Amino acid sequence: GQNIDQPTEMTATEGAIVQINCTYQTSGFNGLFWYQQHAGEAPTFLSYNVLDGLEEKGRFSSFLSRSKGYSYLLLKELQMKDSASYLCAVRDQPGNTPLVFGKGTRLSVIA
Amino acid sequence: ETGVTQSPTHLIKTRGQQVTLRCSSQSGHNTVSWYQQALGQGPQFIFQYYREEENGRGNFPPRFSGLQFPNYSSELNVNALELDDSALYLCASSPHRDRGSYEQYFGPGTRLTVT
Repeated sequence: GQNIDQPTEMTATEGAIVQINCTYQTSGFNGLFWYQQHAGEAPTFLSYNVLDGLEEKGRFSSFLSRSKGYSYLLLKELQMKDSASYLCAVRDQPGNTPLVFGKGTRLSVIA
Repeated sequence: ETGVTQSPTHLIKTRGQQVTLRCSSQSGHNTVSWYQQALGQGPQFIFQYYREEENGRGNFPPRFSGLQFPNYSSELNVNALELDDSALYLCASSPHRDRGSYEQYFGPGTRLTVT
């Protein structure tokens, strides 16, 4: 079966750094995505990892270890607007195929 | 460049009724995927369309059906609505020819409430 685990909720302070972890067990692996979703809105793409290592994009970084079935999203210099759900998703088949999503991590940024 | 659009934004239906949700894909994208997102959950894959043909389906019953039109827009139809069908329905489009991530771009969703 397909299983993607991430913490349900996290709280962090404005200006701080937070790491959201994701572990996955899927039948195949063809890339891992992180999406941000504000309440009642569409998920928006944050990052993509297909090879091991760190991908950095501004305040956001994402790391992948395929051998461990593990990824994390790192958010630096947290801002209040970063309060949202963060979805980890895996593409388990090659090509333009659907994504398997975790349940999401709801991040609250407090002053 | 126009993003993914969906209509309607919100919908309230009664159990047993039928509903049609609509999606216009992003310009240049010929693959459309539909997802169901229950409150507090991640999106669950319903089905995917490419060139007007269904080319992948998740674990949803046959009363969930769809169409894709020549302009790549798409419809999701749900018959015999059940209370558990209450959810946010998301449409995502992606370019078929992409040797990279085949990133999916999501629309704003349709919030369906079944009473």
